[in-house]
Amino acid sequence: EAGVAQSPRYKIIEKRQSVAFWCNPISGHATLYWYQQILGQGPKLLIQFQNNGVVDDSQLPKDRFSAERLKGVDSTLKIQPAKLEDSAVYLCASSPSGARTQYFGPGTRLLVL
Amino acid sequence: EDQVTQSPEALRLQEGESSSLNCSYTVSGLRGLFWYRQDPGKGPEFLFTLYSAGEEKEKERLKATLTKKESFLHITAPKPEDSATYLCAVDPATGNQFYFGTGTSLTVIP
Repeated sequence: EAGVAQSPRYKIIEKRQSVAFWCNPISGHATLYWYQQILGQGPKLLIQFQNNGVVDDSQLPKDRFSAERLKGVDSTLKIQPAKLEDSAVYLCASSPSGARTQYFGPGTRLLVL
Repeated sequence: EDQVTQSPEALRLQEGESSSLNCSYTVSGLRGLFWYRQDPGKGPEFLFTLYSAGEEKEKERLKATLTKKESFLHITAPKPEDSATYLCAVDPATGNQFYFGTGTSLTVIP
């Protein structure tokens, strides 16, 4: 069974530029999560989708971050404009409907200069 | 406020030297506690889920246990390939968020 796929794996941008990350969850997993992991910290939830609906986006900085999961499968997370403090690893995870165990992708490492 | 604290922050062991990692938590009701392993440059890899005090799970050299206030990840006779950061996450009974600790960085020296 293929795992969670993410791209790109690395991204370097200047502050105030925009960037987008893509995630394809494990096939059949209804729930998709985006996390931000700053170096030396544990992952922090940004947004959770159930199929194509948002379940929780309370920690998403909505003035600059947006996410969508239009067809209930893959998802895109966007940052516009980026700030220096957005430098982090952005992790995507998925879980089957009704289950709480989350399976993570390899992450996208973002460096904002 | 829900909190998860892991200790120690870093641990260096000789190959074969057994030890334990700690995850203490304060939540208003626990739905589950999860252990993950994270290698450098990779995403967290699921290890165990524990649901109630007294529960134990084992996988190769790892054994996870749970009490009402903390969980331990016991590593028996570790090998260099066990070197990684071990994260615990708490799933409170209410709400959607997992709360992750900051992890324990384990280094096993040959």
